[in-house]
Parts: sequence; structure tokens; C-alpha cells
Amino acid sequence: SYELTQPPSVSVSPGQTARITCSGDALPKQYAYWYQQKPGQAPVLLIYKDTERSSEIPERFSGSTSGTTVTLTISGVQAEDEADYYCQSVDSSATSMMFGGGTKLTVL
Amino acid sequence: EVQLVQSGAEVKKPGESLKISCKGSGYRFNSYWIGWVRQMPGKGLEWMGNIYPGDSDTTYSPSLQGQVTISVDRSISTAYLQWSSLKASDTAMYYCARRAAGYCSGGSCYFEYWGQGTLVTVSS
Repeated sequence: SYELTQPPSVSVSPGQTARITCSGDALPKQYAYWYQQKPGQAPVLLIYKDTERSSEIPERFSGSTSGTTVTLTISGVQAEDEADYYCQSVDSSATSMMFGGGTKLTVL
Repeated sequence: EVQLVQSGAEVKKPGESLKISCKGSGYRFNSYWIGWVRQMPGKGLEWMGNIYPGDSDTTYSPSLQGQVTISVDRSISTAYLQWSSLKASDTAMYYCARRAAGYCSGGSCYFEYWGQGTLVTVSS
């Protein structure tokens, strides 16, 4: 079955740039989306259609794509950005949705 | 304001049945797909399936098909997720979420709004 692969964890110091990748064979043909989930809270949409920022999401969050990999970039990381981040896409036929395994961002 | 309000936490025994709900408000309920997402304790998000309230068209994750049933009552703008026989492995937080308008093939296959979650605990 189709899968999206994310690194389990990423660590960065405050003010630095964090990059979280997500790989999947169908990503050249299908859009990717990114969510942030803080402990005890529901996920929040950050990025849709690879690069579009959802409303009220700070400009330091951005998305990019290259081949089978999409990347969420957080510029000037703040302590409040510590959370789990999930990519999401659909299979090649656009019938099944799936999430990546999630990446825990630690702000040192 | 778009809101999805889910039913409260449940504690059940293995073998029991359960139906949890998700009530939408602040938008045209019949016109947007609603999805269900599972999050097992300490684990990631897992898509379970979607339903289109307008005609009850339903899609399920291949890995979960047959294990749950997704339904909707248009008259009260509420979607449901139900089990006929719970297992301990069904213990999880369950979120409902509203999909963006449009077709999956057109890039609208993502969740814009989420409910607060319903914690289901299955234990003998």
C-alpha cells in the first residue's frame, strides 16, 4: 500500500530554520498538505496544495516540493512551534487519503 | 463560524457496540465531505474514511473497511462513526474533520476544520 515517509524527529534551536520532509511515490502527481498537532489538541491545517499557507498561519511556515519529496520549512523557529507535524496526501487514483507517520519537532 | 462538535468520551467493554457523533454548524452541512481520523495512544494520525452528506457517498480506508461504519443524518447535520463489536485495539482518540470544497483530484483532499476529538476506551 502507498505510504508517506517522514523523519520521526527534528531538533532545532530557537531562531533557526527547521525543515521536515515527506516522501512518497505519488507526490509528483498529487498535492501534499501539512498539519501541526500540539499535545492534547486537534490537528491544525498549515499548508495546502504543496505551498499554499492556510489562513492565519504565520509566514514563517512554508511548503515546497521537489519530485517525490515535499518539505515543510519553519523559518525563525519559536518555542511555540514545538509540536508534531504530519504530511498528508492521496494515492495515485485520488481515492484514499493517507498521513505520514509524523515528525516531532523539538525546540532546543 | 464553522464548528464541528463531537460527542463525549466513551468507556466500553470488548464486544460492545458504539456510535459516536460529529455535529456540523456554521456552513452548508450537505455540501462538504466529512472524514474520520483515528489516533491511537502515542501514535500518529490515520485516515479512516469520508462521507458526503449530500448523498451519503462513503469511502473507507482499505485497511479499515468492514471494521467501522460511517453514516450521516442530514436532518440534524450530524455524522457518525460506529462499531458493532469493539476490540481493545479500538482504544483511541477519534477526530471528525471537514474536507475542503471540491474534488480530491483537484487538490481539495484535505481537512480544513477539525472537531475536538472523542476518546474511546475499550477495556474489560
